[in-house]
Amino acid sequence: AQSVTQLGSHVSVSEGALVLLRCNYSSSVPPYLFWYVQYPNQGLQLLLKYTTGATLVKGINGFEAEFKKSETSFHLTKPSAHMSDAAEYFCAVSEGKTSYDKVIFGPGTSLSVIP
Amino acid sequence: DVKVTQSSRYLVKRTGEKVFLECVQDMDHENMFWYRQDPGLGLRLIYFSYDVKMKEKGDIPEGYSVSREKKERFSLILESASTNQTSMYLCATVDRSIVHGYTFGSGTRLTVV
Repeated sequence: AQSVTQLGSHVSVSEGALVLLRCNYSSSVPPYLFWYVQYPNQGLQLLLKYTTGATLVKGINGFEAEFKKSETSFHLTKPSAHMSDAAEYFCAVSEGKTSYDKVIFGPGTSLSVIP
Repeated sequence: DVKVTQSSRYLVKRTGEKVFLECVQDMDHENMFWYRQDPGLGLRLIYFSYDVKMKEKGDIPEGYSVSREKKERFSLILESASTNQTSMYLCATVDRSIVHGYTFGSGTRLTVV
């Protein structure tokens, strides 16, 4: 069964510092990979996705992620953290064989940004 | 943009009550999902539906049922609410291709007392 691991349930960074949120997955086939962000008391919003093609994908709000098949990783980065980036971040994976294939979500990483 | 609307943001119900959580999408999306979200556990799939009157169990269907009489509406039913069903409930929708990712509603925070 597929699984998604997010290293660190809570990450703190200073404003202006690099943000790195880690995601590893287990999948025997090339997956579809997603990062979602959840602000307090809201639903999840798609940040970026990898389906096919370029392994470095750019998303909204200055975030990007790189798909590394050899490492089964899809880490999320942002060069300079902003206070508004404080939120919960979820990595997710789907084998994508059919449109209703299950999407497996990681446990989430809570990002705090220190002024 | 697809809008996914969940009827209640906050709900407080008593143990043993029958609870209905409603989700409506304003696009012609085929697939709809109900997840519950708990701290440290991420999102867990309760039920999903890929067509009207069709439903499939997810990973944690026990204590829940669903109804999809119309394409745009997917209801989650707690037959007899219990305190361990206190959680955030999220509805999501996606079209025929997963490549666009899910669109989520704002969530319903349910407290069972």
